Amino acid sequence: EAEVAQSPRYKITEKSQAVAFWCDPISGHATLYWYRQILGQGPELLVQFQDESVVDDSQLPKDRFSAERLKGVDSTLKIQPAELGDSAMYLCASSTGTSGSPETQYFGPGTRLLVL
Amino acid sequence: EDQVTQSPEALRLQEGESSSLNCSYTVSGLRGLFWYRQDPGKGPEFLFTLYSAGEEKEKERLKATLTKKESFLHITAPKPEDSATYLCAVLPTGGFKTIFGAGTRLFVKA
Repeated sequence: EAEVAQSPRYKITEKSQAVAFWCDPISGHATLYWYRQILGQGPELLVQFQDESVVDDSQLPKDRFSAERLKGVDSTLKIQPAELGDSAMYLCASSTGTSGSPETQYFGPGTRLLVL
Repeated sequence: EDQVTQSPEALRLQEGESSSLNCSYTVSGLRGLFWYRQDPGKGPEFLFTLYSAGEEKEKERLKATLTKKESFLHITAPKPEDSATYLCAVLPTGGFKTIFGAGTRLFVKA
């Protein structure tokens, strides 16, 4: 069964350092999502791609976060510099449909980030 | 503002004790409502999609129902392996962003 891959699974960094997360969606899935989930809360959308184009990044802190999906396949989320409040689970998901269609989102295992 | 509220925050059941989880939503229109299961330290796992009021879907001990303002996830005769956080999410009409609730943490004791 195809799965969404994410790496690393865990990342510990010091504040002011740069971190990067990688996501490989299920093959053929046009829409890719990055979510942040703080412990005890639901996932919050950071950025959504349709192929290589950003559809929604309204909740992405653009002064420190960046995301790209250059060839419309895998994606990288970067934080520079990391702050203590960035400690969370970063989840990647993908779906077959176009943005705005109620297609099932399939989630990866997540990257747990701890900023010291 | 579009909003999703789940209750209760946590639920403790004995094995075999049936119950329901609630998801109430406030959106101008609904394209889809989703239920996910999330185990500690893992990504959410898809359970159901509901599209219109009156719709019901079942999977093993779980049954999801939908009205115009809320959805219920009914758990019949739960087992300890059903212990997890259950997340509800909605995709509003005309929007791109799926909005998640905070989840209900379910504990089933043997």
